Amino acid sequence: DTEVTQTPKHLVMGMTNKKSLKCEQHMGHRAMYWYKQKAKKPPELMFVYSYEKLSINESVPSRFSPECPNSSLLNLHLHALQPEDSALYLCASSRGGGSSGANVLTFGAGSRLTVL
Amino acid sequence: GENVEQHPSTLSVQEGDSAVIKCTYSDSASNYFPWYKQELGKRPQLIIDIRSNVGEKKDQRIAVTLNKTAKHFSLHITETQPEDSAVYFCAAPNYGQNFVFGPGTRLSVLP
Repeated sequence: DTEVTQTPKHLVMGMTNKKSLKCEQHMGHRAMYWYKQKAKKPPELMFVYSYEKLSINESVPSRFSPECPNSSLLNLHLHALQPEDSALYLCASSRGGGSSGANVLTFGAGSRLTVL
Repeated sequence: GENVEQHPSTLSVQEGDSAVIKCTYSDSASNYFPWYKQELGKRPQLIIDIRSNVGEKKDQRIAVTLNKTAKHFSLHITETQPEDSAVYFCAAPNYGQNFVFGPGTRLSVLP
C-alpha cells in the first residue's frame, strides 16, 4: 500500500459544528502532516507528528485540534470554524521527520472543507 | 525560516516546446530539493528531486538543475504535452525540520 487515504473527500459544516477529518497510511511512515491549501496557493504546513508526538504546530488557532492515535492514523478535529477556514486540507506522510531526501512527502487526495 | 521564491507564476507554451521554472532559496545549508506537480483537483505528487551533491538529474522528459552557489534550482520539461498542464511547486528544507513550498507555477500547454 503506497497511499495516504483521507476521509471525507468533501465536508460542509456550520460555524457551530464539530467535525473531524481522518487520514490513514500503511507505509510504515513515522511522520504525518496536516497542510492547508487555499485556491491557487501552495500547501501551508499546520502540524507535524513525528513518532506519534506533536513536533511542529505552526501557530494554528485552537479551533483546529490534531490527534495521532497511532502511527497509521492522523485526525484533525474541527470546532467553531470560520468561513475563512474553508480550504483543501491535505494530509501527508514521510518515512521520518525532517527534510532530507529520505523523507519524501506522500500526500493524500485531500478533504475539501466548506464552512458556512 | 527558509524563503523560497518561484518564477514565473504562470507559463504558457505550445505543445512540443520546452518549459523552464526557476526557484531560489535562502538557506545555504539546504541539501534536498523536490518538485511537485498538482493537477486540478488532485493531490501534489513528487515528480523529481535533487540532492545537493549533484548538479543535474534527468528522468525522461523532465530534468532538474541545481546551482548551490547561486542558491537556485530549475525544473526543465522538454517536448511538453497537454497532460503536463498543472501547477508545479518547488520546495526546500526549512532548517531540516520540514519543507517550505514555493508559490507555484501554473503551466498551460497549448495544443
